[in-house]
Amino acid sequence: DQQVKQNSPSLSVQEGRISILNCDYTNSMFDYFLWYKKYPAEGPTFLISISSIKDKNEDGRFTVFLNKSAKHLSLHIVPSQPGDSAVYFCAASARETSGSRLTFGEGTQLTVNP
Amino acid sequence: NAGVTQTPKFRVLKTGQSMTLLCAQDMNHEYMYWYRQDPGMGLRLIHYSVGEGTTAKGEVPDGYNVSRLKKQNFLLGLESAAPSQTSVYFCASSYARGGNQPQHFGDGTRLSIL
Repeated sequence: DQQVKQNSPSLSVQEGRISILNCDYTNSMFDYFLWYKKYPAEGPTFLISISSIKDKNEDGRFTVFLNKSAKHLSLHIVPSQPGDSAVYFCAASARETSGSRLTFGEGTQLTVNP
Repeated sequence: NAGVTQTPKFRVLKTGQSMTLLCAQDMNHEYMYWYRQDPGMGLRLIHYSVGEGTTAKGEVPDGYNVSRLKKQNFLLGLESAAPSQTSVYFCASSYARGGNQPQHFGDGTRLSIL
């Protein structure tokens, strides 16, 4: 079963506009949610995270919103820049006794057009 | 500042051959992970380790073995490679348990099994 799902395989936006990437989850035990960005031929790099006790976290141009009742989170990038073009993965971490395992979504390819 | 280094970057194997993928981190992290990434499926956890001398199974462990003899190294072994193991493999490490301790990823090993 896919516990973290990104329903949009791709998204295309114009430079300067807002990019909104969405993620849904099913496991109510998830206590942290993270977004990673991945360029081709590189590993994922951490972008921003949010605790399940919060509904918003902001870092510069990046803001993550969490709606626990809907089991939905989104990443907003404002303003979008061509360098933001990458695959974005949503990931979640559950409260557990060993490890800090992440469950990833399928990823969304963001393309920002100049 | 190397971070997480994976060796090799590319490899082509024949069905039935064995090989070992090496992951090394220089951040003194306790936790290390092996993932595989397949098209449309995000990253899936193969095995992980919560400290030197420990290993545990992840989501897709069959056909793989791991060892963590030294804190800085995490080895992933394929005893008898199969075409279904063609994938991009990522190693990651983190300082401590918890979703607020982001995992740091290597740049991946692209493995093809013929």
